[in-house]
Amino acid sequence: AQSVTQPDIHITVSEGASLELRCNYSYGATPYLFWYVQSPGQGLQLLLKYFSGDTLVQGIKGFEAEFKRSQSSFNLRKPSVHWSDAAEYFCAVGPGGGADGLTFGKGTHLIIQP
Amino acid sequence: DAGVIQSPRHEVTEMGQEVTLRCKPISGHNSLFWYRQTMMRGLELLIYFNNNVPIDDSGMPEDRFSAKMPNASFSTLKIQPSEPRDSAVYFCASTRTAAGEQYFGPGTRLTVT
Repeated sequence: AQSVTQPDIHITVSEGASLELRCNYSYGATPYLFWYVQSPGQGLQLLLKYFSGDTLVQGIKGFEAEFKRSQSSFNLRKPSVHWSDAAEYFCAVGPGGGADGLTFGKGTHLIIQP
Repeated sequence: DAGVIQSPRHEVTEMGQEVTLRCKPISGHNSLFWYRQTMMRGLELLIYFNNNVPIDDSGMPEDRFSAKMPNASFSTLKIQPSEPRDSAVYFCASTRTAAGEQYFGPGTRLTVT
């Protein structure tokens, strides 16, 4: 069965500092990987996705993520965070490019310090 | 282009009552998903449809839960009878098959007292 682990429940970062959110997955074949962001009281917005090809993928809002098959990881990064980045971040894995249900991690709550 | 539309946004009901949540997917999308979000269990897939046909309902917690998709532009998730442990945020999402990303609605926050 597929699973996603986000080991950090909360992360606090100073505004302007760099960010890395960790995600590890378990899946029997080549996974389709996603990062979503959820602001309070809102739905989930897709930040970026990985299906195949270049293992470093760029997303919206200045985010990027790197797929490392050897480590079963898909960590999310941003070089300089803004106060508006404070939100809940979810990593997800799916078998069929999104046309099948996704399995989500428990999320990482990002707090931005001024 | 309108996104995924869910109604109601908030629902408060008493234990034992029937609850119906509604979803309108993005036009042209032919896969629809229902998820539930709770603090304890996070985001869980309940059921999904391809071309209006239920494909996997293994995530539906009990027989009290049922979902239908009578046409390409409408789906319902019904809970009968509702229980306090059903309190959660229920999300609907849609995608074009094999297109990749799922687009989520704003969710329905359900409170069962």
